Amino acid sequence: AQTVTQSQPEMSVQEAETVTLSCTYDTSESDYYLFWYKQPPSRQMILVIRQEAYKQQNATENRFSVNFQKAAKSFSLKISDSQLGDAAMYFCALYSGAGSYQLTFGKGTKLSVIP
Amino acid sequence: EAGVAQSPRYKIIEKRQSVAFWCNPISGHATLYWYQQILGQGPKLLIQFQNNGVVDDSQLPKDRFSAERLKGVDSTLKIQPAKLEDSAVYLCASSLMVMKQETQYFGPGTRLLVL
Repeated sequence: AQTVTQSQPEMSVQEAETVTLSCTYDTSESDYYLFWYKQPPSRQMILVIRQEAYKQQNATENRFSVNFQKAAKSFSLKISDSQLGDAAMYFCALYSGAGSYQLTFGKGTKLSVIP
Repeated sequence: EAGVAQSPRYKIIEKRQSVAFWCNPISGHATLYWYQQILGQGPKLLIQFQNNGVVDDSQLPKDRFSAERLKGVDSTLKIQPAKLEDSAVYLCASSLMVMKQETQYFGPGTRLLVL
């Protein structure tokens, strides 16, 4: 079975500052994919960034970057120059497993941005 | 490109009643997913279709939940009879194929309240 753990239920950051959201995971597969999804109050889940496990280089998307530590099974999300629109629930997700390739989500971290 | 469409957006029913949700995936996406998201948790996969065939329904409570995807496009998820613990947001997602690297795109969800 695969699991995803987000240990920070809530985080806050000052506008324009940097914040890091933590995620750890567990899987027995060697080939897997990791994602961070953002869910604003409107409830539509939006992909923020993805990381292929076979790639050593950390993924970046504009102000969003990840710190992927494969041996430690850690996948944190860094948001630089935080903006008010970044306020949302952030979910870490793991796509793994043979056959159905089920996407497993963590419980989420609620990020607040303070003006 | 139109996103994943879902209806209704909100539904309130009494326990033991039945309810149905509809999802229209992104055009050309072969894979469709239904997730249940209980308040304060991450989404949990209920069922996954590849075209009109079921790939994974291991977490679908089959005594009360059913889903179909006729003609490999639109899908409906039904609950009959509903229980209080079915109160949740039901998310539909789609992807091009059922492969690990494929990004899932989510609809806005249907918020169900069972009284």
